[in-house]
Amino acid sequence: AQKITQTQPGMFVQEKEAVTLDCTYDTSDPSYGLFWYKQPSSGEMIFLIYQGSYDQQNATEGRYSLNFQKARKSANLVISASQLGDSAMYFCAMREVTNFGNEKLTFGTGTRLTIIP
Amino acid sequence: SQTIHQWPATLVQPVGSPLSLECTVEGTSNPNLYWYRQAAGRGLQLLFYSVGIGQISSEVPQNLSASRPQDRQFILSSKKLLLSDSGFYLCASRRGQYYGYTFGSGTRLTVV
Repeated sequence: AQKITQTQPGMFVQEKEAVTLDCTYDTSDPSYGLFWYKQPSSGEMIFLIYQGSYDQQNATEGRYSLNFQKARKSANLVISASQLGDSAMYFCAMREVTNFGNEKLTFGTGTRLTIIP
Repeated sequence: SQTIHQWPATLVQPVGSPLSLECTVEGTSNPNLYWYRQAAGRGLQLLFYSVGIGQISSEVPQNLSASRPQDRQFILSSKKLLLSDSGFYLCASRRGQYYGYTFGSGTRLTVV
């Protein structure tokens, strides 16, 4: 069974500062994928960044980067120069292959990030 | 690109009433489709997924059922709602290996 753990239920960060959101995972599969999603108060789920288990380099997408430490099974999201619009729930997720060879995403419990002006 | 339509956006239903939530997908064919539920302030729990017409896999035993009558249509149903069925329901479609899922805008269900 796979598991995603996000230990920070809430974080408050000053605008323009960098913020790191923690995510650890547990899997015995050698091939997996890790995702981060943003959920504003409207409820929509916005894809931010992806990291594959075999990727040699940490993923980056604009102000988002993923600090992937495979041996420690962690995939922390780093947001540089935070903005007020970054206030939202953030979810870490892992792609899991079912017994029938199909895929599904398993999500962590999320971190509510609040940016303070 | 994929677009997922979900309706209604909000729904208030009495306990014991039936439920039907519909999800349709545009911009792709033969998608893998998923229903997730999010309780208030919680993460997303996978309820059902489907890899094709008439093919439904259930993740959690519960009061709900799902059907896929057409390639790009996914329906979540209940014959009698319970208070515990309240939550935010999201439909999703697999977008590809590197992008995870495309999500619909969700339905906020309150059972009273």
